[in-house]
Amino acid sequence: ELKVEQNPLFLSMQEGKNYTIYCNYSTTSDRLYWYRQDPGKSLESLFVLLSNGAVKQEGRLMASLDTKARLSTLHITAAVHDLSATYFCAVVGGFNDMRFGAGTRLTVKP
Amino acid sequence: NAGVTQTPKFRVLKTGQSMTLLCAQDMNHEYMYWYRQDPGMGLRLIHYSVGEGTTAKGEVPDGYNVSRLKKQNFLLGLESAAPSQTSVYFCASSTRTGSYEQYFGPGTRLTVT
Repeated sequence: ELKVEQNPLFLSMQEGKNYTIYCNYSTTSDRLYWYRQDPGKSLESLFVLLSNGAVKQEGRLMASLDTKARLSTLHITAAVHDLSATYFCAVVGGFNDMRFGAGTRLTVKP
Repeated sequence: NAGVTQTPKFRVLKTGQSMTLLCAQDMNHEYMYWYRQDPGMGLRLIHYSVGEGTTAKGEVPDGYNVSRLKKQNFLLGLESAAPSQTSVYFCASSTRTGSYEQYFGPGTRLTVT
C-alpha cells in the first residue's frame, strides 16, 4: 500500500531563512505533486514532477524529485510571511489513486 | 470558466439523515474525484470516476456512494450520515493524459451531529 510521509509536520521559520520540507513515499511512482493550502481554503497546485531528477522553481520555492530514493523535497529560500500556509505532497500509486502526505504547516515570522 | 464548483458550501446534518453533494466542472475533464480532509491530515480519496457512467472505490469508500451520470458532474451521497463523516469534502477533476494534474473545488464543510 502506498504511504506518503512528510516532515516536518510543523515548521516555524524566521523571515529570510532557508528550509527544506521532505516527502518520502513507499512504492514506485513517477508522478508527484506539491500543493499549498491556506486556512479555510482549497488546494492550490504548486508543482507537478513527472520524472526522476525533475526540478521546478517558482519564486522562493523549488521542488525536486528522486524516484530512486522515493523522495521529493520542497526548498524554501529566504522565506517571507506570505509563504505561511500548509504544504502537501501527493503521490499517484495505482490507477490515478492519489495519496497525500499529512501536510507541513509553515509559519514564517518577521 | 468556473473550474470546479461544489454545492453546498456548508451543511449540518443529524445522524441518520441523508444528503448529496454535487461537484461540477467545466474543463471537459474525464477524471473526477471525491476526497475528505480531517483536521491535521491530508486528503483521503473516497471514490473516483474515470468517465461518464464509471466509478471506483478509493482509500476510504465506506458509508459513501457516488454517481457520474454526466461527464461534468460527480455526485457524492451519504445515505445515513454518522458523526465520523464530519469533515471537509473536496472534489477534483483532471485530464486523462499528460500530467493528470488535479484541480480542486472550494470544498464543502459538513457537520454531522
